[in-house]
Amino acid sequence: DTEVTQTPKHLVMGMTNKKSLKCEQHMGHRAMYWYKQKAKKPPELMFVYSYEKLSINESVPSRFSPECPNSSLLNLHLHALQPEDSALYLCASSQGINSNQPQHFGDGTRLSIL
Amino acid sequence: EDQVTQSPEALRLQEGESSSLNCSYTVSGLRGLFWYRQDPGKGPEFLFTLYSAGEEKEKERLKATLTKKESFLHITAPKPEDSATYLCAVQGPYEAGTALIFGKGTTLSVSS
Repeated sequence: DTEVTQTPKHLVMGMTNKKSLKCEQHMGHRAMYWYKQKAKKPPELMFVYSYEKLSINESVPSRFSPECPNSSLLNLHLHALQPEDSALYLCASSQGINSNQPQHFGDGTRLSIL
Repeated sequence: EDQVTQSPEALRLQEGESSSLNCSYTVSGLRGLFWYRQDPGKGPEFLFTLYSAGEEKEKERLKATLTKKESFLHITAPKPEDSATYLCAVQGPYEAGTALIFGKGTTLSVSS
């Protein structure tokens, strides 16, 4: 069982909808990440939070809005998405952004945009 | 430019037929090399971290090794449940930040 929990597991939404993806970890990690993964491709980094502050934004469109309410939770707010945004969205956590310890991933949210 | 190249892209084995997956990397100041296993529709599952050339890690039928230019994931007497995509990722020096550079993965199929 993964120690990073993501909800929902599946999400279908229209291009005008607003929805949120949620991620929770209880490993005491201080760095949390959002990745996007398309079929048969490796994960692509979107955002990094360090001690609940946004550290890295990899030029992600503003229709994706991350939020880190506390050290255990990470949200990704979605609005006005495009069909090409359909993908597996993965959350990960690690001890810290300056650590060389591994990132641990959740099982992702499979997002489909109609 | 930092790069990670995995080969082969796909590998089909018979149960019990041992083999190796390769991960070649070019990165200045390697902080760590990570192996992950990913099943369809799931997130990557952490397997191993390797930090310096000559290091080896083992877990059940898997053994990971590291040189200055590449890493190998050796699979001994694989079983069908070892079928998955295996991802290699490297982390560069501290000044490059926390980002992992992933290879494209090797998809392993083991038939009984």
